[in-house]
Amino acid sequence: EPEVTQTPSHQVTQMGQEVILRCVPISNHLYFYWYRQILGQKVEFLVSFYNNEISEKSEIFDDQFSVERPDGSNFTLKIRSTKLEDSAMYFCASRYSSGGGHEQYFGPGTRLTVT
Amino acid sequence: QKEVEQNSGPLSVPEGAIASLNCTYSDRGSQSFFWYRQYSGKSPELIMFIYSNGDKEDGRFTAQLNKASQYVSLLIRDSQPSDSATYLCAVKGGSSNTGKLIFGQGTTLQVKP
Repeated sequence: EPEVTQTPSHQVTQMGQEVILRCVPISNHLYFYWYRQILGQKVEFLVSFYNNEISEKSEIFDDQFSVERPDGSNFTLKIRSTKLEDSAMYFCASRYSSGGGHEQYFGPGTRLTVT
Repeated sequence: QKEVEQNSGPLSVPEGAIASLNCTYSDRGSQSFFWYRQYSGKSPELIMFIYSNGDKEDGRFTAQLNKASQYVSLLIRDSQPSDSATYLCAVKGGSSNTGKLIFGQGTTLQVKP
């Protein structure tokens, strides 16, 4: 069964460093998302991406964040200058299309630890 | 602020019992509702979705939606210890064309053998 994959599973970085989190969505899906979950808190929406551009972003998704689909399979989240409060699980999700099903399928996540 | 509310629990049920999980939402325009299961340290796993008022059954799971009262629930029949997890209610915002999901804080379910 197709699934969303994410790498790395765990990333440790120092404050102020740049990190890139990678995702491979399900192959025939068209909508891509990043969510994050700080330990013990809710899953929070960060950004949605469709047709090679950001379609919606949250207040969390400020100028230090960016997303890219560099090729036909990968979807990346870049954090330019990490802060301690960026420590969280980051989940990539994808869904097929807007017509009908809105179901989103999540990847296994990347645990980001900023020290 | 559009919100999704769940009782954080824990909800404890004996093995074989019915577990009932509830969720309310504030955005009256919401149209799509999802239940995800999340084991500790893992990602959300989609287990049910419901778009119309009424009940939707899939195996041991039944999702119930009442848009007039703005609540959605999940029933788990014949609960098993392996069902012990946090159950997340998620709602697609009514004003969102992008499919953004708003999550509740989750209800922790404990099924005791």
